[in-house]
This record gives sequence, structure tokens and C-alpha cells, in this order.
Amino acid sequence: GEDVEQSLFLSVREGDSSVINCTYTDSSSTYLYWYKQEPGAGLQLLTYIFSNMDMKQDQRLTVLLNKKDKHLSLRIADTQTGDSAIYFCAESNNYGQNFVFGPGTRLSVLP
Amino acid sequence: DAGVTQSPTHLIKTRGQHVTLRCSPISGHKSVSWYQQVLGQGPQFIFQYYEKEERGRGNFPDRFSARQFPNYSSELNVNALLLGDSALYLCASSSLAGYVDTQYFGPGTRLTVL
Repeated sequence: GEDVEQSLFLSVREGDSSVINCTYTDSSSTYLYWYKQEPGAGLQLLTYIFSNMDMKQDQRLTVLLNKKDKHLSLRIADTQTGDSAIYFCAESNNYGQNFVFGPGTRLSVLP
Repeated sequence: DAGVTQSPTHLIKTRGQHVTLRCSPISGHKSVSWYQQVLGQGPQFIFQYYEKEERGRGNFPDRFSARQFPNYSSELNVNALLLGDSALYLCASSSLAGYVDTQYFGPGTRLTVL
């Protein structure tokens, strides 16, 4: 079955860049997503990328996709303390069926 | 505009009981999906409903069921509760307009089974 893997923890200093990595197994994945979850809250969609794209940039966020290696990364530039949260990678096929989430990466931003 | 709302916020039940969780999607969204998030893990897909019909089902036992109403709100029902059903239950709505399914999540219902 489909599987999404992420490293569980990442710690960075305020102002540095953060890079959160994700690998997935389903080669039929059409869309890949990054979600943010703050303590006690639901999930907030940060960005998504279509599988025929290599890169997507949105303000401080840059998503890189290596489809050959099934590797997705999220880079957060100038990381702030407000970026501390759990970041989930997710994949789906067309129309969002079979939505599969990774276990989440807990990002800690140190002052 | 109101986001996705879920009720109740918290719930405590005992083993063997039944529970009903409710979700109201964003106005104009016709699709509702349910997820179970066990502490320390990512959300796991339970059901997706679109236009009152089940479109997808995850790997959950028949004790889990759901339905969607004409106003697109949804209920998730869990029978014969087990301790392992303790989790945050998340509802997400989407318009399914176009190909990408940008799901918007509610704050969740925290279910504790004693």
C-alpha cells in the first residue's frame, strides 16, 4: 500500500532556513501537499504541488519534488518562532481520493 | 466566512458505547472527509463523501460508518468503542472543483475512550 515517510524532529535557529523532507511510495500520486498543525489545532494547508512540476515557490516556502526518487521537500526561509509546529506531507491521486499523510515532522525554532 | 466546524470539541466515552461526531463544511463545499489522528501520528483517512454518496473508504472496521446530509453536513458514527479508538477525529471539506483537492480541516473532536 501507499506509504509516506518523514523524519520526526527538526530543530533550527530563528532566521535560519528549515528543510523538511518526505518520501513516498505511490508512483500514481498526482498531488503532494504540505500541511501545518499547531498545538490543539486542525491542519492548515500550506501549499501543494502537481506531480509534473519540479518546484513551487510561495513567499517564504519552496517545495521541491524529485519524482524519480519520490522525494519531496519543504524549505522555509527565514524561519520564525511562529513556524514551530508539526508539518505533514501528504499525497493523493486525482480528485483527492486515497489521501495519505506522513507521520509529521515536529519543527522547533530556537531563539 | 465560517470555516469547517465540528462538534463536540471533546468527548469522553466508555468501552462498548457508541459515539456520533458532527461536521459542517465550508459553505459551498460538497465534499466531506473524515480522518482519525492518533496521538503522535499523522491523520488516517476514514471516509470521503461527495454529494451524499460515499466516494472513498479507508482501512477501518465496519464499526465506523458515516453519512452526509442534503445540506452537506456529515456525521461519523463509531459503534462498540474500543480503547484504541481514542484519537482526534478531523473533518475536512473541499469543493472538488477542478482536479486538486485542497482540503480545509476543522479543529477536530478529541475522543477519549475509558
